[in-house]
Amino acid sequence: DVKVTQSSRYLVKRTGEKVFLECVQDMDHENMFWYRQDPGLGLRLIYFSYDVKMKEKGDIPEGYSVSREKKERFSLILESASTNQTSMYLCASSLVGVEAFFGQGTRLTVV
Amino acid sequence: KNQVEQSPQSLIILEGKNCTLQCNYTVSPFSNLRWYKQDTGRGPVSLTIMTFSENTKSNGRYTATLDADTKQSSLHITASQLSDSASYICVVSRNQAGTALIFGKGTTLSVSS
Repeated sequence: DVKVTQSSRYLVKRTGEKVFLECVQDMDHENMFWYRQDPGLGLRLIYFSYDVKMKEKGDIPEGYSVSREKKERFSLILESASTNQTSMYLCASSLVGVEAFFGQGTRLTVV
Repeated sequence: KNQVEQSPQSLIILEGKNCTLQCNYTVSPFSNLRWYKQDTGRGPVSLTIMTFSENTKSNGRYTATLDADTKQSSLHITASQLSDSASYICVVSRNQAGTALIFGKGTTLSVSS
């Protein structure tokens, strides 16, 4: 079974902190994605990566950056956390042409 | 504008009953359509993926249909169980690579005993 693992299920951070969300997949997938999910808005793409060290902005990249130094790992960085970044963050990975597999999600609260 | 609209927004049914969830999309170009199930507080899990040429696809008690002419899809759940209580998300991919996904906002299904 494909496994996409996010480093934390729940996270509480203070405003202004630098926050790292880690995601690891074990199936050698080329594509990896970071989404945020908010009530009434559905899933929105923050960034995706189609190869090591390659990244593309999604629909809402402002306030975020990403890093993909190894194929299996994709990190989401909140440079200076703000309260409007309180959300559920979902990582996903996929092969080309195949459905994406999601991690269990990280519920981030910024206080 | 590329959009995926799902209806109803929420639904309550009795255990054992069938139900159908709807998905209408205005997405171009179209590569494939996916249905995901998301339990509360968890990540989405894939149920089906259908390309342009596929009309019906089943996964156990879940059956998805696709009408590419009218740009509509449905997810039919047969003999519902309490564990079917979840959000069901329709997703349309604009490319084969799967890097251009348009998400619906989901239908929340509650199955009661």
